[in-house]
Amino acid sequence: QKEVEQNSGPLSVPEGAIASLNCTYSDRGSQSFFWYRQYSGKSPELIMFIYSNGDKEDGRFTAQLNKASQYVSLLIRDSQPSDSATYLCAVPGYDMRFGAGTRLTVKP
Amino acid sequence: KAGVTQTPRYLIKTRGQQVTLSCSPISGHRSVSWYQQTPGQGLQFLFEYFSETQRNKGNFPGRFSGRQFSNSRSEMNVSTLELGDSALYLCASSPVAGVSQPQHFGDGTRLSIL
Repeated sequence: QKEVEQNSGPLSVPEGAIASLNCTYSDRGSQSFFWYRQYSGKSPELIMFIYSNGDKEDGRFTAQLNKASQYVSLLIRDSQPSDSATYLCAVPGYDMRFGAGTRLTVKP
Repeated sequence: KAGVTQTPRYLIKTRGQQVTLSCSPISGHRSVSWYQQTPGQGLQFLFEYFSETQRNKGNFPGRFSGRQFSNSRSEMNVSTLELGDSALYLCASSPVAGVSQPQHFGDGTRLSIL
């Protein structure tokens, strides 16, 4: 079992819809969680991080943590075509472990 | 504020050669981490440097090494290049030590091995 797992997608949603991206992790002691967005041919860009003490909302993005089930989710409200990218979940331990990423396509 | 700067952006080498990649972190950032990204393995952690000291190292062979200078700039070296080393090499910086801190990535160096 990989330490950080994501559904590779592609996940396709219509413009204006809510996109929901999930990530499961294996280390029950993990305390922080990161979401990166990576456009094709570009480097990852940090868009959200949360700590184990609660969820976080930033504009159209909300990160939620379910510690009991060991998964973290990223919700993108009012999805735009410019949100089309691969979203990487990262969970630090001894080192930073990244999921394989979920490719999101927002259709106009 | 300038972002993380990596040079060169592209490199083509042949098997058996060695290569050195450079990374200048965001001003004031003292931690630099290196990652390898390939389509098959995704993003994998190579190592982290803070105050000129390697703090952690990922599961890569000894051919992969690095160092950090007093101005926080970092270099990564790969010796005896293999075809499987073809990848995008990313550098990320953060103000303080530890991979649990938010990290900001550079644009990467794309290394192709012929």
